[in-house]
Amino acid sequence: SQQGEEDPQALSIQEGENATMNCSYKTSINNLQWYRQNSGRGLVHLILIRSNEREKHSGRLRVTLDTSKKSSSLLITASRAADTASYFCATDAIENAGNMLTFGGGTRLMVKP
Amino acid sequence: DAGVTQSPTHLIKTRGQQVTLRCSPKSGHDTVSWYQQALGQGPQFIFQYYEEEERQRGNFPDRFSGHQFPNYSSELNVNALLLGDSALYLCASSSPTGLPSTDTQYFGPGTRLTVL
Repeated sequence: SQQGEEDPQALSIQEGENATMNCSYKTSINNLQWYRQNSGRGLVHLILIRSNEREKHSGRLRVTLDTSKKSSSLLITASRAADTASYFCATDAIENAGNMLTFGGGTRLMVKP
Repeated sequence: DAGVTQSPTHLIKTRGQQVTLRCSPKSGHDTVSWYQQALGQGPQFIFQYYEEEERQRGNFPDRFSGHQFPNYSSELNVNALLLGDSALYLCASSSPTGLPSTDTQYFGPGTRLTVL
């Protein structure tokens, strides 16, 4: 079963616009990670935010975490055609003793040139 | 510095057969996790190996088994293949850290298994 749920399931925007994806999860976590996947290939790690952090930045990426609402968001600013991919959130739940990640179903982002 | 590598890239099998997938972790990593990703879905955790032992297992039947070698590489074996086993199988490596949090997992390109 998947703990996280991404919203929206699909998103289509124009190049230069911002893209926001949301993730909700169910249990208490140590951290939450975002990954990108191009065309069914391997996942690329984007950013990790720990449970005691509220916001984190990496280049054009901004991640927020609200543990009281059990939710996170990923913002990609000034999107590019190359950002077209599926984006997944993954949680490291406290109950799993740090040994596994639980992924959501992903958001499929299309950036039109 | 080589990243996570997996072999083969693609594989076609028939129902009832057995398959072995291989993974070499990123240099310096000694923990290997396996995930199954069905088409259009997120990856699901199969199991994790550390110090040649299965450390944690997801909700997968005993037909799925694994092994880790002294050089930290790993194999995933699936017996009595079913049509539903068709998926992308991803290997991820990480370095162990103290509790409570998982270190970043680095994923390989995956093996696409098709069961006919």
